[in-house]
Amino acid sequence: GENVEQHPSTLSVQEGDSAVIKCTYSDSASNYFPWYKQELGKGPQLIIDIRSNVGEKKDQRIAVTLNKTAKHFSLHITETQPEDSAVYFCAAILKAAGNKLTFGGGTRVLVKP
Amino acid sequence: SAVISQKPSRDICQRGTSLTIQCQVDSQVTMMFWYRQQPGQSLTLIATANQGSEATYESGFVIDKFPISRPNLTFSTLTVSNMSPEDSSIYLCSVAGSSVGEELFFGEGSRLTVL
Repeated sequence: GENVEQHPSTLSVQEGDSAVIKCTYSDSASNYFPWYKQELGKGPQLIIDIRSNVGEKKDQRIAVTLNKTAKHFSLHITETQPEDSAVYFCAAILKAAGNKLTFGGGTRVLVKP
Repeated sequence: SAVISQKPSRDICQRGTSLTIQCQVDSQVTMMFWYRQQPGQSLTLIATANQGSEATYESGFVIDKFPISRPNLTFSTLTVSNMSPEDSSIYLCSVAGSSVGEELFFGEGSRLTVL
């Protein structure tokens, strides 16, 4: 089955700086890679996703890059704000197998004002 | 997207008792899943809730401990049976497919504490 590793487990950045979270996956057949943000006491919220036929995707201050050869993908948050503080999870799946996502271990991001 | 309502949002339970968590979606969805998130941990899939048939459980999870119902395309329940302190977790309902699209969406979770 799929195995997803996520680094770092914690990340502290100064407001306005960039944050980068990296994930690696094991199954080369995986073709869908979502990122979720979980705030304290809430469920995970989908913030961006990327499919294997795309190398990069951007949505305002958030971007995701995918390197299929190396089997890793990254989340980039620019101009961080205190409201970006949360736990972020990456995930991977072979879409043809349904929606049974395999999640990374999570990254706790703290943006210091 | 979808509006996913879970009840209860939190509860404190006694060892040996059982608790049923409800998940209601505001539109019909193809797939419903139940995840567990232990304190400070990532999300682990418990089972896929199949409409009109028995749920499909992941390795390490069994029907006797986590019975699941899904009577229609908008509702599912997860029961945590004969609870022990190790069952203290957040239990999350998630949905995908049909009117909500391909992406997986999560409810706010049900936080259970077992004493």
